[in-house]
Amino acid sequence: AQSVAQPEDQVNVAEGNPLTVKCTYSVSGNPYLFWYVQYPNRGLQFLLKYITGDNLVKGSYGFEAEFNKSQTSFHLKKPSALVSDSALYFCAVTLGDSWGKLQFGAGTQVVVTP
Amino acid sequence: DAGVIQSPRHEVTEMGQEVTLRCKPISGHNSLFWYRQTMMRGLELLIYFNNNVPIDDSGMPEDRFSAKMPNASFSTLKIQPSEPRDSAVYFCASSFKWQGATNTEAFFGQGTRLTVV
Repeated sequence: AQSVAQPEDQVNVAEGNPLTVKCTYSVSGNPYLFWYVQYPNRGLQFLLKYITGDNLVKGSYGFEAEFNKSQTSFHLKKPSALVSDSALYFCAVTLGDSWGKLQFGAGTQVVVTP
Repeated sequence: DAGVIQSPRHEVTEMGQEVTLRCKPISGHNSLFWYRQTMMRGLELLIYFNNNVPIDDSGMPEDRFSAKMPNASFSTLKIQPSEPRDSAVYFCASSFKWQGATNTEAFFGQGTRLTVV
């Protein structure tokens, strides 16, 4: 079985401050990990992914995430948050050797205040 | 490419009626997913197809729900009869998967907001 946990329902941060959104996963195999963002009344947009290689991956809009195998984590980070980053963020996992069942976390609402 | 296209964007129907949601995946993608999003349950994977074949339908809530993928460019999710608790946003997503190995990321449609009254 595979699962994803996003321990924070909401993250509040002031504009210009660093932003971190936490994600931990549980899979019995090699994980492929993804971050998506959802703006109101829109579909999910892909931000970045970890498949293999460098543990630090960079994605869209200045976001990055670090894969930590020992802690089974894949936290999303941005050095300096913008008000426009306010949205719902989802972490997702699939098994590299499976037929692609993509499991999402519950989502974390990010609120960036001016 | 226009991305994943879902129709209709909004659907309001009466309890007991049949509802059909439609999805056109990105051309060339061979995996297709149907998700349901609600405030209470978040994003739930209902079913996914690979090369038009249903691989895992364990997330389909009950027999009232059915999904088909008659060809690589079209899929439907049908609810019959519909109930108020089916009210949700239904998303379709597609990706490309190489045999036994790497997935690309999934691309999502804009969703269908279903309201059953």
